[in-house]
Amino acid sequence: DVKVTQSSRYLVKRTGEKVFLECVQDMDHENMFWYRQDPGLGLRLIYFSYDVKMKEKGDIPEGYSVSREKKERFSLILESASTNQTSMYLCASSEVWASGGAPGGETQYFGPGTRLLVL
Amino acid sequence: DQQVKQNSPSLSVQEGRISILNCDYTNSMFDYFLWYKKYPAEGPTFLISISSIKDKNEDGRFTVFLNKSAKHLSLHIVPSQPGDSAVYFCAASRGSGSARQLTFGSGTQLTVLP
Repeated sequence: DVKVTQSSRYLVKRTGEKVFLECVQDMDHENMFWYRQDPGLGLRLIYFSYDVKMKEKGDIPEGYSVSREKKERFSLILESASTNQTSMYLCASSEVWASGGAPGGETQYFGPGTRLLVL
Repeated sequence: DQQVKQNSPSLSVQEGRISILNCDYTNSMFDYFLWYKKYPAEGPTFLISISSIKDKNEDGRFTVFLNKSAKHLSLHIVPSQPGDSAVYFCAASRGSGSARQLTFGSGTQLTVLP
């Protein structure tokens, strides 16, 4: 069974603070993803990583950065938290997909989420 | 511009009846579609998927139908059970760059009434 864990279930931070959200997966997956979930907007991709030290921007990267120093760990960093970053943050992982390969291996497995409140 | 749309934010169904959740997409490059289920305070869990080369995939009580010409897919749950009450997200995938990404719809809250 794939297990994706996130360091905190709930966080309360102040505006301007630097915030670290940690995610760990135990299935040796190459790909890891960070999303935020907001009512009426579904899940929106912030950043993803397809290998150690590699990262790519998703749809809403502004105000966020990421770090992937080890294969199993993917961190999301809010450099200076703002109230509009109050949200549910979800981490996911998936197997590697070879460019041009058949689809199907991209099923993503999610962690339980971190609910972040920025005051 | 939402490329994957779930136009019904909520759906209520009686236990034992069929639940039909709908999803529309606009990008013809999507070639793989997935449904996820999410309970409160938990992450989404994968439910069922379908490749664009198929028009139907079935797994127990869950069936996904794909109509490529209409860019529409639907999830059928028969019979519906109270434990099926959750938010259901439709997602679509396309190959681009270094990893296949998923684009999610906004979700439909399904409530199955006992």
